Amino acid sequence: QTVVTQEPSFSVSPGGTVTLTCGLSSGSVSTSHYPSWYQQTPGQAPRTLIYSTNTRSSGVPDRFSGSILGNKAALTITGAQADDESDYYCVVYMDSGIWVFGGGTKLTVL
Amino acid sequence: EVQLLESGGGLVQPGGSLRLSCAASGFTFSSYAMTWVRQAPGKGLEWVSATSGNGGSRWYADTVKGRFTISRDNSKNTLFLQMNSLRAEDTAVYYCAKHLTGTKGFDYWGQGALVTVSS
Repeated sequence: QTVVTQEPSFSVSPGGTVTLTCGLSSGSVSTSHYPSWYQQTPGQAPRTLIYSTNTRSSGVPDRFSGSILGNKAALTITGAQADDESDYYCVVYMDSGIWVFGGGTKLTVL
Repeated sequence: EVQLLESGGGLVQPGGSLRLSCAASGFTFSSYAMTWVRQAPGKGLEWVSATSGNGGSRWYADTVKGRFTISRDNSKNTLFLQMNSLRAEDTAVYYCAKHLTGTKGFDYWGQGALVTVSS
């Protein structure tokens, strides 16, 4: 069973730039995995940020961007703001209709 | 405006059954695949199951295969998750989510329904 890996936690200063990654325990993440990214604050439903590697969902500010960096999918936040402090999850498509989430990254802005 | 509203959550004993519903509005329901995602207390998101727009294809995570059944009623714009043989580890908030066109992930999410499996 392939495991999707994310950094458990990350911190960034207000106004700074942070890149969160999403990898596989076996192999590389590619565009064929259609990686997408979701933001979640405590007690709330997830919010879609990025889908299909690098397409921003409607209403998402352009300081959020997605890409493939090396063998991982990446979410970059440029000009971090206090309300970016959230949990961030990636999910990848593993073919045959199966999707797998990463364990999530808790982002602290301080 | 797309809206997804889950219902049917509650407290159930181990080994029991429960059926979740997700009422959809604001889009052509039958044109989109739909997914269930769950989140155990204090834990991360876990993909559970998905179904194609016409309901003809269904997929399941290994953790629920053989116990859960996803279905949909396109005439009523409603998605279902029938959960049987429930275990304590199935305790979670269950979210329904709408797929984007093609294999691109999910765009809209419901607010979630809490399922608690406990004696």
